[in-house]
Amino acid sequence: DAEITQSPRHKITETGRQVTLACHQTWNHNNMFWYRQDLGHGLRLIHYSYGVQDTNKGEVSDGYSVSRSNTEDLPLTLESAASSQTSVYFCASSESSSGNTIYFGEGSWLTVV
Amino acid sequence: DQQVKQNSPSLSVQEGRISILNCDYTNSMFDYFLWYKKYPAEGPTFLISISSIKDKNEDGRFTVFLNKSAKHLSLHIVPSQPGDSAVYFCAASAREYGNKLVFGAGTILRVKS
Repeated sequence: DAEITQSPRHKITETGRQVTLACHQTWNHNNMFWYRQDLGHGLRLIHYSYGVQDTNKGEVSDGYSVSRSNTEDLPLTLESAASSQTSVYFCASSESSSGNTIYFGEGSWLTVV
Repeated sequence: DQQVKQNSPSLSVQEGRISILNCDYTNSMFDYFLWYKKYPAEGPTFLISISSIKDKNEDGRFTVFLNKSAKHLSLHIVPSQPGDSAVYFCAASAREYGNKLVFGAGTILRVKS
């Protein structure tokens, strides 16, 4: 079955370190997204991509970057981790032409100490 | 400035009764609305959606109502079951904004048996 997977599922890192969260989907979806979930804020968009070599900033992009070198992967990099980036991160994907329903991965729990 | 608001952080309902989850939005450009359900330690899963050209969409026990003049939508679950206990996120998108989803903060639903 096609799916979307995230790794690692849990990570503890130190302030100032670079961290990369991986996202891989096998649906061949053009659109991919990274959201973070925080209490009281719901899901907020960090970065998104509409296709290979395309990346765009979302609502809360400061301190994060993404790259899209192929259709399947959209890794999220925290350049210098901060305690404010302790959160649950969700990757998601959708087809270009199927309306706006997006499908989420199971999440990556990141703790910055 | 939250464009999608879920003003009830939590809701408790008796099994078999109706659950009504509410969502308000401020951006009149939104033309597609969705509800997602999220269990602990899992990613959000798509539940039901509605286009702005409709005022009601039904799928089994789940019905979404849209009141465009009031910029309000609601999710009705009838009858409620203990397995419905989860966090419910309302989301909205606009074609003009590239169909990116904007989420509310979520409502925790607890169905008591």
